[in-house]
Amino acid sequence: DADVTQTPRNRITKTGKRIMLECSQTKGHDRMYWYRQDPGLGLRLIYYSFDVKDINKGEISDGYSVSRQAQAKFSLSLESAIPNQTALYFCAVGDPGKLFFGSGTQLSVL
Amino acid sequence: QKEVEQNSGPLSVPEGAIASLNCTYSDRGSQSFFWYRQYSGKSPELIMFIYSNGDKEDGRFTAQLNKASQYVSLLIRDSQPSDSATYLCAARGYSGGGADGLTFGKGTHLIIQP
Repeated sequence: DADVTQTPRNRITKTGKRIMLECSQTKGHDRMYWYRQDPGLGLRLIYYSFDVKDINKGEISDGYSVSRQAQAKFSLSLESAIPNQTALYFCAVGDPGKLFFGSGTQLSVL
Repeated sequence: QKEVEQNSGPLSVPEGAIASLNCTYSDRGSQSFFWYRQYSGKSPELIMFIYSNGDKEDGRFTAQLNKASQYVSLLIRDSQPSDSATYLCAARGYSGGGADGLTFGKGTHLIIQP
């Protein structure tokens, strides 16, 4: 089994729909992160959490929310999806810099 | 605005040669530096990190850091076609940026020609 598991792997949705991306880990790290990757823009941090009671905004948090349900689970929600949120989303765990990434979720918003 | 700059490439290198990937950073307070490899359609994977000036070697990979010049590089010796990927440089400082000050570059696309 993968150490960092993201679901779903692919998702196509329509503008205005609510979407949740889920991440779970078996590595036992307290720190979890959500990034998005766009061609030509690299990896950009959306939200991060250092423990269950600690949630922090990253560079591009507008339009997103997160929930840390347990040490091992960190979900990302798009309350009302828009086309420019079409991207590859990665969950990561670990110490800053020494990150382990999940396999990613390719999200397309039509 | 903290920045990490990389040439996007593609950088084309013959098989068996040395591939040299470069990265510059704007924040003089950056303390630690990381190289990730990302195959097409896959997630980034940490391959090297360096904290001190000089060279750090791990197998065919050597990371080089020059803090005075704000320059980090990754050398890949005896390049193999399996090294073809995008390489992401990241720098960590303590004065802002992403989580705990981590900033990623946009990556260099490396192609190893058989």
